[in-house]
Amino acid sequence: SYDVTQPPSVSVPLGQTATITCGGDNIEKRNVHWYQQKPGQIPVLVIFRDSKRPSGIPDRFSGSNSANTATLTITRAQAGDEADYYCHVWDRTSAVFGGGTQLTVL
Amino acid sequence: EEQLLESGGGLVHPGGSLRLTCKGTGFNFGAYSINWVRQAPGKGLEWLSYVSGSGATIYYADSVKGRFTISRDNAYNSVFLQMDSLRPDDSALYFCARYWSGYYYIDLWGQGTSVTVSS
Repeated sequence: SYDVTQPPSVSVPLGQTATITCGGDNIEKRNVHWYQQKPGQIPVLVIFRDSKRPSGIPDRFSGSNSANTATLTITRAQAGDEADYYCHVWDRTSAVFGGGTQLTVL
Repeated sequence: EEQLLESGGGLVHPGGSLRLTCKGTGFNFGAYSINWVRQAPGKGLEWLSYVSGSGATIYYADSVKGRFTISRDNAYNSVFLQMDSLRPDDSALYFCARYWSGYYYIDLWGQGTSVTVSS
């Protein structure tokens, strides 16, 4: 089965840029999606198909996917961006989520 | 408003069974594939199972294959997850989640139903 790897935690100073990675073998050949989950809430889609933003998601959120790493980038980080972030990939007959990255805004 | 609503969770003894239901409202339910995803307390998301809009295609995660069975009844806008041989590590919040057609990303989540497996 296909595996993806995320760092358990990322910290970013208020107003700076956070990058959260999702590593997988040749992940660039797959569509990667990202979800934000705040404590006690259900996940929310923030990026789909590597780099597309759903309506209502600020343009501070962006995504990219190259070689073996997909990346979620959050510019001008705000306190409200503190959450767990999960990458998600479909692998022909199964889905896989990354282990999640807890984003802390300092 | 498009919604998914899970039900059927509860407390069950190890080795027991539960049947979860996911009911969709506000959209053409039969046009969408549905997944079950769970989240143990303090842990990450774990994909469990997928059923296509027609019900003809079904997939399972290795962790539940042979113990869980997914099905759907589009006449009742519902997807089911029959969970047998439950273990303590199956304790989690169980979400049903809708895939956007064709690209396998989740665009709609239910609120979840809690399952506790304990003696």
